[in-house]
Amino acid sequence: AQSVTQPDIHITVSEGASLELRCNYSYGATPYLFWYVQSPGQGLQLLLKYFSGDTLVQGIKGFEAEFKRSQSSFNLRKPSVHWSDAAEYFCAVFGGTASKLTFGTGTRLQVTL
Amino acid sequence: SAVISQKPSRDICQRGTSLTIQCQVDSQVTMMFWYRQQPGQSLTLIATANQGSEATYESGFVIDKFPISRPNLTFSTLTVSNMSPEDSSIYLCSVAGQGAYEQYFGPGTRLTVT
Repeated sequence: AQSVTQPDIHITVSEGASLELRCNYSYGATPYLFWYVQSPGQGLQLLLKYFSGDTLVQGIKGFEAEFKRSQSSFNLRKPSVHWSDAAEYFCAVFGGTASKLTFGTGTRLQVTL
Repeated sequence: SAVISQKPSRDICQRGTSLTIQCQVDSQVTMMFWYRQQPGQSLTLIATANQGSEATYESGFVIDKFPISRPNLTFSTLTVSNMSPEDSSIYLCSVAGQGAYEQYFGPGTRLTVT
């Protein structure tokens, strides 16, 4: 069965600093990978997705992610963080015989001014 | 992407009672999903609801506790029955976009059971 690991439970960065959130997945075939963001009291918003092709994908709000098959990773990046980026970020993978979306445990991002 | 609304947005309920959560989509969709997000936790899939068929429940979730209706292609309900404090969670519905793998989420229903 597929699984997703987000090693960092909580990250704090200063506004204007760069950001990288880590995501590792376990899945036998080429996965479909996603990053979602959940602001306090809100539902989940899809930031970006990877299905195939170019391993560097661009998303909304200035985020990007890079798929690295050799490392089974799909890390999320942003060159300059804004205070409004403070939220919970979830990495997810779709696939496997169950054909369902499996989420990581999430990384809470705090942005200091 | 579809616009999804949920009602109620939040509720406080007494143990032993039931709450029905509604999920409305602004376009017709084949697959809808219900998730639970317990406090400080990630999302767990409760069931998949396809119009015209019985919902498919994940391990650990049963129809008697979480009955689901899917009367048409734009609407679904999830009922949390005989609630206990352990049912305090955020309940989210989602719909499949391109293929079943791309999902869009509603704003969630925050349930507190006292």
